[in-house]
Amino acid sequence: NAGVTQTPKFRVLKTGQSMTLLCAQDMNHEYMYWYRQDPGMGLRLIHYSVGEGTTAKGEVPDGYNVSRLKKQNFLLGLESAAPSQTSVYFCASSRTGSEQFFGPGTRLTVL
Amino acid sequence: SQQGEEDPQALSIQEGENATMNCSYKTSINNLQWYRQNSGRGLVHLILIRSNEREKHSGRLRVTLDTSKKSSSLLITASRAADTASYFCATVPPLNYQLIWGAGTKLIIKP
Repeated sequence: NAGVTQTPKFRVLKTGQSMTLLCAQDMNHEYMYWYRQDPGMGLRLIHYSVGEGTTAKGEVPDGYNVSRLKKQNFLLGLESAAPSQTSVYFCASSRTGSEQFFGPGTRLTVL
Repeated sequence: SQQGEEDPQALSIQEGENATMNCSYKTSINNLQWYRQNSGRGLVHLILIRSNEREKHSGRLRVTLDTSKKSSSLLITASRAADTASYFCATVPPLNYQLIWGAGTKLIIKP
């Protein structure tokens, strides 16, 4: 079991570029989440999904889009990257919507 | 918005000593969870305590919950260098599947 994996691990973008972060889980979990973590802060929820084909906005959704076409994958897209989106992005999954299992993170820098 | 607030923000103790971290929250909860994050890594679930529980143990971890004061504490006994990490509390409101995170306590264990 790989658990929750994220690709890529690191990425540098220029302002205005777009990219997609991929999260994959092999635990057959229904719930999946995308967070961002900024220095000295806790996690802030960007978007989440309660099952295949569903998505919902979290606390800080602006500038991001998501898709959950397959149960095991949750994609996070940045349409036009801004320096304010420089952060570490974590994906998590959950069987019950309670205890969450996290991926290793993607460190994104937007210049 | 973040509901949990951890106290202290940072804690430095000698190896072998006990470490206590506190978490306060604002609204009613279904359960409260503690997670650990080693530097540069994803979060790892440590323990979950339900709103009708007052104390829970897991190895060297002891968690208490006081719903009347809307607070929880995490005690790590006989600390080890490997316990150096940031510790986050997260609450789950009733009928919800989103975790609401605090900003974390950074724990440093000195050898």
